[in-house]
Amino acid sequence: EPEVTQTPSHQVTQMGQEVILRCVPISNHLYFYWYRQILGQKVEFLVSFYNNEISEKSEIFDDQFSVERPDGSNFTLKIRSTKLEDSAMYFCASSASGISRTYEQYFGPGTRLTVT
Amino acid sequence: AQSVAQPEDQVNVAEGNPLTVKCTYSVSGNPYLFWYVQYPNRGLQFLLKYITGDNLVKGSYGFEAEFNKSQTSFHLKKPSALVSDSALYFCAVRDEGGRRALTFGSGTRLQVQP
Repeated sequence: EPEVTQTPSHQVTQMGQEVILRCVPISNHLYFYWYRQILGQKVEFLVSFYNNEISEKSEIFDDQFSVERPDGSNFTLKIRSTKLEDSAMYFCASSASGISRTYEQYFGPGTRLTVT
Repeated sequence: AQSVAQPEDQVNVAEGNPLTVKCTYSVSGNPYLFWYVQYPNRGLQFLLKYITGDNLVKGSYGFEAEFNKSQTSFHLKKPSALVSDSALYFCAVRDEGGRRALTFGSGTRLQVQP
């Protein structure tokens, strides 16, 4: 069964450093998402991406964040200058087009980001 | 703004007994509702959804959920719990409009005792 994959599984970085989290969505999906879950808190939406552009973003997704689909398979989240409060589990997700009327999002296993 | 409430942090049930995990929601239009399960050190795994049609929807691993529009609820149920069902369960909602972002509840930990 196809699945979303994410690398690395755990990333430790120092405050102020840039990090790139990588995701490979399910191959025939057209919508891509990033969510995060701070330890002990809710899963929160960050951004969605469709047709090579951001379609939605939350107030969390400020100028230090960016997303990119550099090739036909990868989807990345870049945090330009990490802060302690960026420490969280970051989940990538993908979903099929609305035409298929499936609507559910499929999540990867997550990348645990620790900022020291 | 849309929101989801899962009023129970933890639900304990004996193996073989029925289980219910509660969820209520708030959206401006018609809701699309989802249940996800998270096992330790794993991602969120899709269980089932309500989009339209029958209020009782069936999903993976014998789980089902009942959509109740008047009570704005979407409770997750299973007739007979297994120890292996022990995990963290999340309810999520989006509206039927253009926004696809899911809003999640805080999660309910299900503990099934042998």
